[in-house]
Amino acid sequence: QQQVKQSPQSLIVQKGGISIINCAYENTAFDYFPWYQQFPGKGPALLIAIRPDVSEKKEGRFTISFNKSAKQFSLHIMDSQPGDSATYFCAASMGGSSNTGKLIFGQGTTLQVKP
Amino acid sequence: GAGVSQSPSNKVTEKGKDVELRCDPISGHTALYWYRQRLGQGLEFLIYFQGNSAPDKSGLPSDRFSAERTGESVSTLTIQRTQQEDSAVYLCASSLNGVQETQYFGPGTRLLVL
Repeated sequence: QQQVKQSPQSLIVQKGGISIINCAYENTAFDYFPWYQQFPGKGPALLIAIRPDVSEKKEGRFTISFNKSAKQFSLHIMDSQPGDSATYFCAASMGGSSNTGKLIFGQGTTLQVKP
Repeated sequence: GAGVSQSPSNKVTEKGKDVELRCDPISGHTALYWYRQRLGQGLEFLIYFQGNSAPDKSGLPSDRFSAERTGESVSTLTIQRTQQEDSAVYLCASSLNGVQETQYFGPGTRLLVL
């Protein structure tokens, strides 16, 4: 119930292409869904986040699509660039005063964008 | 401004030894989290501190793991009698007020237990 399942494990995309990473969850109490980007040797950094009251959120080339009924959400990277090559993690957490905001992470997707 | 810092950046130890990892959160951030990242895996929550409230220790994998935080500043994660399966990157994150605020991660401490 606490798991977040992420796919694919790895992804190779040509420069200019669209990268798509998918995540699924079981716990309907999750109400905050961030995506983190991690470069080798660095800590993860927040990329974009969504709450279940909207079905899509876009920031520049990055878009989160959210399907509440299917309990799935995905990250789309438009016009992928070699500098986007990194590991991407989806995550989920529960709000409310009794919760801590701890993030439950997916297993990660290693993206390689070929020039 | 300064981000989250962690020390040491790398630690090699022998099985059975104790290790202490340090985290300096962003100044003014009341919430602090520790996560563990095993090779090729996602991050696993370990422990959460928020101000003077009792910490959430629900993610600590065994009683060999403990953590402390001094007020709203430095935190230390201690692993006693280290085992090879403790080898991982230990990441610290801080956020302004806690629940569902953006968590800012440090670079991590890479622990290798021989």
